[in-house]
Order: sequence, then structure tokens, then C-alpha cells
Amino acid sequence: ELKVEQNPLFLSMQEGKNYTIYCNYSTTSDRLYWYRQDPGKSLESLFVLLSNGAVKQEGRLMASLDTKARLSTLHITAAVHDLSATYFCAAPYSNYQLIWGAGTKLIIKP
Amino acid sequence: SQTIHQWPATLVQPVGSPLSLECTVEGTSNPNLYWYRQAAGRGLQLLFYSVGIGQISSEVPQNLSASRPQDRQFILSSKKLLLSDSGFYLCAWGWEDSNQPQHFGDGTRLSIL
Repeated sequence: ELKVEQNPLFLSMQEGKNYTIYCNYSTTSDRLYWYRQDPGKSLESLFVLLSNGAVKQEGRLMASLDTKARLSTLHITAAVHDLSATYFCAAPYSNYQLIWGAGTKLIIKP
Repeated sequence: SQTIHQWPATLVQPVGSPLSLECTVEGTSNPNLYWYRQAAGRGLQLLFYSVGIGQISSEVPQNLSASRPQDRQFILSSKKLLLSDSGFYLCAWGWEDSNQPQHFGDGTRLSIL
């Protein structure tokens, strides 16, 4: 069965702390996507990781991809309240379709 | 630049009523188009995708249907809504080239009474 598993599904953390969200996938794809969703809103693309060893950074977020382990990570450095959101990873299994993780709801407390 | 429009933003419908949600994309041609549903607090479920006019692929059996009457127009329909059809419906567009992400509309929140 093709699947994408995110861990943890819920994360409450203090501002200023570091943490990592994990995304394990079972497809044979060499690329992986990360999205952000604010409450009641649509999804916004954060990162597209295109190959093994890819690393991308935007502000306090850094995403990486290990295609051999079929694992992607989203690392949050010195978290701030504005990063509170639900984060999704997705892996392609055809030219057209993605399999989505269940999402990680991140709450950052002042 | 490309933009995607989806409407209405919110819809409250009685059980058994019909449904029509519309999505249009501007600034590109022959995009892949997608309809997703998101239940409260859950991930995304792909309902339909289309790679061209009149070409619809269905991912899950249900009482919903989709149509693509024009290159940049994607419509989600139902003849009779069920309570289980409630959710957040998202339209998205993308390229066949998976180096690019899918881009989402603002979504329609559908409540069935």
C-alpha cells in the first residue's frame, strides 16, 4: 500500500525551541513536497525537494530529503508564533498524483 | 503569473440538494487540474484529476462527479448531496512536470444540513 506517514501529528512547543517533523513515504519517488495550511485556509507550497540529499531553507524552516531511507524532515529553528500552522508532506506516485500525509498540527506558544 | 479562482467560499446545502463548485485557472494553458476534499482536522483526499478537456479520472467511488468543459475550468458536481459530503473542497492546478508543486485555490467550505 502506498502511504505517507507524518510524525508527530500534533506538536506543541515553546517559542525559541527547535524541533523536527518527520515524513516517511513508501513510493519510489525521488521528490517530496512540503505545504503549510493556516486554520480555515488553503494550502501554500513551502518546499519542493527534487533529489536525494536535497536541502532547502526558508527563514526558520529547513527541509531535507533522503530518498534511500524514504524520509524527509522539516526542521524548525528557534520557533516563533507565526509558524503555528498545519504542515503537510506529499509524495508523487505518478506524473499527476500525490499521496498526502495526515498533517502535523504545530502550535507554538509564546 | 498564474492564478486560481474557486467559488463559492462557503456553502450550506440541505441533504439531497444538487451541488456545483467551480474552479478556473488563469495565466497558463493545459494545466492538470485536481479536486481534493479535506475532512475537519484531516489530510487531503484526491477526488478527481484531469489532464485535458473532457478527460476526468476518479479516485474514489462516490456520488460526486467532475467535468472539464474548457481548458482552464474544472467543475465539481453532485445530483444529490449526502451528509458525508460535508468538508473543505480544494481545487488545485499543476504541471505534468513534478518539479513544480501543485497550487491551490482558496477552497470551499461545504456544510450539509
